[in-house]
Parts: sequence; C-alpha cells; structure tokens
Amino acid sequence: KNEVEQSPQNLTAQEGEFITINCSYSVGISALHWLQQHPGGGIVSLFMLSSGKKKHGRLIATINIQEKHSSLHITASHPRDSAVYICAVFPDSNYQLIWGAGTKLIIKP
Amino acid sequence: DGGITQSPKYLFRKEGQNVTLSCEQNLNHDAMYWYRQDPGQGLRLIYYSQIVNDFQKGDIAEGYSVSREKKESFPLTVTSAQKNPTAFYLCASNIWDASNQPQHFGDGTRLSIL
Repeated sequence: KNEVEQSPQNLTAQEGEFITINCSYSVGISALHWLQQHPGGGIVSLFMLSSGKKKHGRLIATINIQEKHSSLHITASHPRDSAVYICAVFPDSNYQLIWGAGTKLIIKP
Repeated sequence: DGGITQSPKYLFRKEGQNVTLSCEQNLNHDAMYWYRQDPGQGLRLIYYSQIVNDFQKGDIAEGYSVSREKKESFPLTVTSAQKNPTAFYLCASNIWDASNQPQHFGDGTRLSIL
C-alpha cells in the first residue's frame, strides 16, 4: 500500500463546478505539500500546510492531522485549472518528500 | 527572474549510450534533487545533494550518476546500466535548513529510447 494515496485518480467536471481532491497518508508528517503539474510537465507549488486551512484565490487546502487527511478544493472551476494535482508529505523522520501519484483534473467549458 | 532551467526538453538515447541531463538554478538554493516520473506513478527520488561536492542516493539510484561541483548545477547522467530509462525527469531545489521548505521545479526533460 502506498504511503500517500490520492483520490480520485481522474476527475472530469464542467466549468463552474466545485472540485475536491483528496489526499490520505499513513505516516507521521511535519507538513503536507500540494502541487500542480501543467500539461507541459512543469510543477508549481500551491500550498504547504501543517494544520488548519489555507486559501489562495479560488484554491483552498485543508488538513486534518489526526485523521491523516488533506483536501484541495477549487471553487468556480475553469478550463485553465485542468492539470495534475499532486500531494506530497514531509515525514517526521526525514526531509525527503513522499509523493502521491496525482489526480488528473479536466475542466470542460 | 530566478528559477530552475532543465535542458534539453526532449532527449533520445541509443542502446549502450550514456546521456546527461542538465539542471541549473539561480535561486541560491543549497539542496537539489532529481526525480523520475512514470505514467500513473508518483515522483521517485533518484539522487539529492545538500551541499557542493556531496550527494546522496535516493530510492532508485541504480543506473544513474550525478555530480555537484557548483552550487548552481546538478547534472544527471543516465548510464547504459539503466535498462528502462524512458521517463520524465524533473530537477528541483530548495533551501536546506531545519524546517520544511517547498521545492521549486524545472520544466523537466523527457527521455526516450531510439
């Protein structure tokens, strides 16, 4: 079993829909990282969080350390949000990230 | 603007050939990383370096080699010993200190076998 699991693997939605991507992990962590991978392959950091909630524009990330679970929400989704969203965690034991496999999101106009 | 530059964007390797992927950063970051990405899988760490002239193996170092002669540069060589090199390779960097710092990524190099 992977230490970081994302769901769903693939998600297709209509423009304007509220999107939720989930990340569950099985190790103790010091922080969790949400990243976005563009169709061309480049990766951009969205959020790093260790508790509570963070918001940037239409993106919201939440984490529940006790439940070992994080969610990434996109409000008023737009075709330009189409990308792969990746969750990665910093385990307590070292500084090396453990990566989820990613969620491929397609927003149709 | 500061960032990470990977080159080339696409690379083809012949059987028995070594190829080198370039990664340069001007962010003044201490740590640099090489990852391999295969379809449907999470990123896997190949090598990382926390300081010049020092580097450590990641989870899948076999068939790869690196050097860190300058802070700005961390080239990855895919050797002929790597039997399945076709993948997307990403270079990243961050500040190395006691806290968790987000990693910054290049745009990647896609390696294929001829």
